[in-house]
Amino acid sequence: DAKTTQPPSMDCAEGRAANLPCNHSTISGNEYVYWYRQIHSQGPQYIIHGLKNNETNEMASLIITEDRKSSTLILPHATLRDTAVYYCIVRVALSRYGNKLVFGAGTILRVKS
Amino acid sequence: DSGVTQTPKHLITATGQRVTLRCSPRSGDLSVYWYQQSLDQGLQFLIQYYNGEERAKGNILERFSAQQFPDLHSELNLSSLELGDSALYFCASGGASGGEWADTQYFGPGTRLTVL
Repeated sequence: DAKTTQPPSMDCAEGRAANLPCNHSTISGNEYVYWYRQIHSQGPQYIIHGLKNNETNEMASLIITEDRKSSTLILPHATLRDTAVYYCIVRVALSRYGNKLVFGAGTILRVKS
Repeated sequence: DSGVTQTPKHLITATGQRVTLRCSPRSGDLSVYWYQQSLDQGLQFLIQYYNGEERAKGNILERFSAQQFPDLHSELNLSSLELGDSALYFCASGGASGGEWADTQYFGPGTRLTVL
């Protein structure tokens, strides 16, 4: 399974952009990068995903390097409610209609006022 | 709210017992995934069903089994429970488009299982 590497923790000032890096050097050509976050013990919340191109939605932006070996999740204006564990994940295709998400340890993002 | 529902929220039982966890996917989703989150192992994929058929299998113990019913809800059965089975169990759903490579997975709130 493609493995992702993330820093264990990061701090960010409220109102500033939070940039969360992720390395996925063994990613295959057809594997997507997904970002989820988990607040306390709630269910992981989907944020964004991408294959090759940069992506943006109402929550965040995803920047993927041209060689696809790393990516950065950007929360443009972090708030206290963004404090969570952020997971960078490679979705692994196992069969037709079959796939799984391989979670790593994630990055604990602390947004401070 | 992801639209995925799981029952019960909490479950406390004794070693050796059997329990059933239930998951209802989002409207229109065809796939249901089960994940286990324990303190020492993190989030681990267990199994996936797509439209009633098993499609992917992870590190699921033989004491655990799952199924997806015609109405697309799913149940995860855990038997001969051990202390180490205490964990959060999450269900996720996806695949509304019916595409060959399934859509984004949306997670439910989880069931916290405590084995005493």
